[in-house]
Amino acid sequence: LAKTTQPISMDSYEGQEVNITCSHNNIATNDYITWYQQFPSQGPRFIIQGYKTKVTNEVASLFIPADRKSSTLSLPRVSLSDTAVYYCLVFGAAGNKLTFGGGTRVLVKP
Amino acid sequence: DSGVTQTPKHLITATGQRVTLRCSPRSGDLSVYWYQQSLDQGLQFLIQYYNGEERAKGNILERFSAQQFPDLHSELNLSSLELGDSALYFCASSVEAQGGGVNTEAFFGQGTRLTVV
Repeated sequence: LAKTTQPISMDSYEGQEVNITCSHNNIATNDYITWYQQFPSQGPRFIIQGYKTKVTNEVASLFIPADRKSSTLSLPRVSLSDTAVYYCLVFGAAGNKLTFGGGTRVLVKP
Repeated sequence: DSGVTQTPKHLITATGQRVTLRCSPRSGDLSVYWYQQSLDQGLQFLIQYYNGEERAKGNILERFSAQQFPDLHSELNLSSLELGDSALYFCASSVEAQGGGVNTEAFFGQGTRLTVV
């Protein structure tokens, strides 16, 4: 199972772009990269998922370089309500444990 | 609303007791996952079931057990409770691809907050 490493915390200000990078050096060929968001006392919520290059949805963008050993979640123009913990997961069909690492605690300041 | 229902929302019990947490997955989801999250801690994967069968096991204590029933709801049983078992317990469900392929999104319930006193 691919291990992920991401920063423990990040501070930002309203209106700024937040980029969180996750390292997953031993990612397997059939692994996908998935990001979840968790607010206090709530269950995590799926944000975005990708395999390679770039994926964008209405919430975020996910950048994955060609070697797939890292990925960057980009949150455009954050607001106070984006203050949460963001988890990077590497998950493939063969690795059925949906395992969360420590996550990155993002604090958005006014 | 994720479509995953967990009951009860809150539970207070004494040390040494046994409790059962219940999870109803989203309609059509065959996979159920259980997690434990202690205060300000990360999510600890406990166990996964797929269509009634245990699929993967994490750091689940021997005092804990789970099962998934034919109607796909799942129960997590916690026995001989200790103060350290106080935590939020989350259930998640997903439609799992067969034989490899695309990963699928997991949907989480709102959790059961267990307090052991």
